[in-house]
Amino acid sequence: DTEVTQTPKHLVMGMTNKKSLKCEQHMGHRAMYWYKQKAKKPPELMFVYSYEKLSINESVPSRFSPECPNSSLLNLHLHALQPEDSALYLCASSQAGTGGSDEKLFFGSGTQLSVL
Amino acid sequence: DAKTTQPNSMESNEEEPVHLPCNHSTISGTDYIHWYRQLPSQGPEYVIHGLTSNVNNRMASLAIAEDRKSSTLILHRATLRDAAVYYCILRDRGSQGNLIFGKGTKLSVKP
Repeated sequence: DTEVTQTPKHLVMGMTNKKSLKCEQHMGHRAMYWYKQKAKKPPELMFVYSYEKLSINESVPSRFSPECPNSSLLNLHLHALQPEDSALYLCASSQAGTGGSDEKLFFGSGTQLSVL
Repeated sequence: DAKTTQPNSMESNEEEPVHLPCNHSTISGTDYIHWYRQLPSQGPEYVIHGLTSNVNNRMASLAIAEDRKSSTLILHRATLRDAAVYYCILRDRGSQGNLIFGKGTKLSVKP
């Protein structure tokens, strides 16, 4: 199984809502990532978890709150988002997360988020 | 991370080879060259990577210049399914696994 599963595939939320994005992998990977991708732009790194600990936060606003409850799951909690936060949110995982630049990242298909 | 430069777009005919160039003149000795591609409505997928020697796998070949300042991703026979945005990315050996995407090349394949 080389799949990274993201749910939901689509999400529409208001600016006062609280919602969560979920990501799951069963490849035994110990690093997990959140990327944000605006239309016709490349993905931008948001967060990196390595061995369930947050190792990278690319200056992301606090209205985005990541959580890694165990090595297979990654959540992104959303609160008080703005319309400009509408984007495709991609989750990825890699094997060791120890900095080996040989590592391949496996991506999910993403959650398309619209903030009204 | 060192920067890469790729053409914004390229066109190919089906069943013909495609050569996707990438310039990385500021590459350091410890940078690996990675290629990912993103098909429409999907997340990026790994294609190939290399350090100094040319590399082949079932998807593509990677030709790396002797001075490592440029590389070329080669799709030997393009299919319609290969239409995607192709990203050339440098990853430092000492990085924390960060994959930082540049603008990429949008490849169109004509039947």
